[in-house]
Amino acid sequence: QKEVEQDPGPLSVPEGAIVSLNCTYSNSAFQYFMWYRQYSRKGPELLMYTYSSGNKEDGRFTAQVDKSSKYISLFIRDSQPSDSATYLCAMIKAAGNKLTFGGGTRVLVKP
Amino acid sequence: DTEVTQTPKHLVMGMTNKKSLKCEQHMGHRAMYWYKQKAKKPPELMFVYSYEKLSINESVPSRFSPECPNSSLLNLHLHALQPEDSALYLCASSQARGAYNEQFFGPGTRLTVL
Repeated sequence: QKEVEQDPGPLSVPEGAIVSLNCTYSNSAFQYFMWYRQYSRKGPELLMYTYSSGNKEDGRFTAQVDKSSKYISLFIRDSQPSDSATYLCAMIKAAGNKLTFGGGTRVLVKP
Repeated sequence: DTEVTQTPKHLVMGMTNKKSLKCEQHMGHRAMYWYKQKAKKPPELMFVYSYEKLSINESVPSRFSPECPNSSLLNLHLHALQPEDSALYLCASSQARGAYNEQFFGPGTRLTVL
């Protein structure tokens, strides 16, 4: 079993819809959580970084962390075709610097 | 400035060549990373430098040789690579300690080994 599970998709939504992404993890040692967006043949771009349970909002993006359920989510409001990309969740253990990634979810936002 | 730069963008090399990938950051980060990414897969960690010292080597073959000349620069020296080493090579940086240790990635070098 992988330490971090993420549905590979593709997740196809119409423009303007809410995109809902999630990851589950098995190791309670993970304390810091990130979401990256990666366009084809480009480097991952950091979207959100959280280190406590609860919600964090930044523009159209909301990240949720539920440490008791070992579950994290990313919501994208008012989705645009430019949001079409692969979204990677990643997490780090306390006092560590080794990222553990989910497998990535491919998102397609159709005009 | 949250930018990590990498050169070259693309590299084609033969199996007998020696080449180097370069990475630079000016965010004052003291941890730098090399990752390898194959198509439709997440990045795989290769090496971690913390305060210019190699702290993690994920059992990478010796044909990949990292070097950290100073806190802003990271190199990856390549020699006698195999076609299966063709991939996107990503550099990243972060704070070495503390809660604010999110990693910022560069655009990558797309390597093709013939």
